[in-house]
Amino acid sequence: DAKTTQPPSMDCAEGRAANLPCNHSTISGNEYVYWYRQIHSQGPQYIIHGLKNNETNEMASLIITEDRKSSTLILPHATLRDTAVYYCIVRVATYGGSQGNLIFGKGTKLSVKP
Amino acid sequence: SAVISQKPSRDICQRGTSLTIQCQVDSQVTMMFWYRQQPGQSLTLIATANQGSEATYESGFVIDKFPISRPNLTFSTLTVSNMSPEDSSIYLCSVAVLNYGYTFGSGTRLTVV
Repeated sequence: DAKTTQPPSMDCAEGRAANLPCNHSTISGNEYVYWYRQIHSQGPQYIIHGLKNNETNEMASLIITEDRKSSTLILPHATLRDTAVYYCIVRVATYGGSQGNLIFGKGTKLSVKP
Repeated sequence: SAVISQKPSRDICQRGTSLTIQCQVDSQVTMMFWYRQQPGQSLTLIATANQGSEATYESGFVIDKFPISRPNLTFSTLTVSNMSPEDSSIYLCSVAVLNYGYTFGSGTRLTVV
């Protein structure tokens, strides 16, 4: 699986949009970009994933550049409860065999401040 | 998506003893995964547990230290054997569900004294 690079930490004001960048310059054509977050003392939580088109769900938006070498996770109106470590992971979208696990990097610690 | 119940949520254990962590899923899943998260660190995969076969361990993890059982498609256990303070970590189980991605348990916070 391709490696990702994320800033170690970011701050965001409550109510503002949080934009979390991720570089994945060695991503392969069949690899998806996944975002998970881990709130303190909890297991990681799925946020969103995409291949090449921008994606939006009730939690966030995912913007993937045309060359797919980087992406941005957008939390449109950050709240204090969005304070967490956010992980960007690239991998093929299969759930079996030796490709079944997720490989976590260090992530970005997002602090949402009042 | 799948709902995972992981037990115990936390424990404090004496060095040299063993602890078995249970992971129960509310639906049948082919693959279950066990991760370790050391203090202040990211998640590291310990092993992949398939029903009906031996678990597959990642580099640096061995079956004698982390034996895994997978008796059916909804349940797995991870044992941390002959514990030392270096084993103090959060241990998490995870499952992969087609079209839903990966779901994680809430973790077991282990402290070895």
